[in-house]
Amino acid sequence: AQSVAQPEDQVNVAEGNPLTVKCTYSVSGNPYLFWYVQYPNRGLQFLLKYITGDNLVKGSYGFEAEFNKSQTSFHLKKPSALVSDSALYFCAVSSHSGYSTLTFGKGTMLLVSP
Amino acid sequence: DADVTQTPRNRITKTGKRIMLECSQTKGHDRMYWYRQDPGLGLRLIYYSFDVKDINKGEISDGYSVSRQAQAKFSLSLESAIPNQTALYFCATAGQDEKLFFGSGTQLSVL
Repeated sequence: AQSVAQPEDQVNVAEGNPLTVKCTYSVSGNPYLFWYVQYPNRGLQFLLKYITGDNLVKGSYGFEAEFNKSQTSFHLKKPSALVSDSALYFCAVSSHSGYSTLTFGKGTMLLVSP
Repeated sequence: DADVTQTPRNRITKTGKRIMLECSQTKGHDRMYWYRQDPGLGLRLIYYSFDVKDINKGEISDGYSVSRQAQAKFSLSLESAIPNQTALYFCATAGQDEKLFFGSGTQLSVL
């Protein structure tokens, strides 16, 4: 069975500082990895995905994520946080089998202070 | 117009009532999903469908049923609602790349 762990319930960072939201995964075979963001009273929005290729993936709103196969991690990063980045972030994985489904982590609340 | 539309946005019902949540999409995708979100638990998959004739149970399907009426429509029913089904429900659709597009959600409260 596939699974995702987001070890931090909440991450606090000051505006302008770099941010990291952690994610580790477990899956059979090669993974598809995703990050989604949820703003208050909204559905989830796609940020970025890793399928194959370059381990550093760039996504929307200046976010990027680094795939590390040996550590089974896919941490979300941004060089300079904005107050508007405050939201709930979800990491997700699938087994890349053609008819698999995404399994989501429990989510990490990111709070960026002015 | 939204790519994925869920109705209703909010619903309050009583224990034992039958409830239907509806979802329609304009993405032209074959794959559709129902998830529920609970605080601290993330999103959990209830049912999914890879095409009109395909229905599959997710990890928490007990107490739920679905109907795929057309490529664009996928409804979720609670046959006899109970309070622990109080949650935020999301419909989503995806293409072959498994990138999900979500609706705005239905907040369901079962009293």
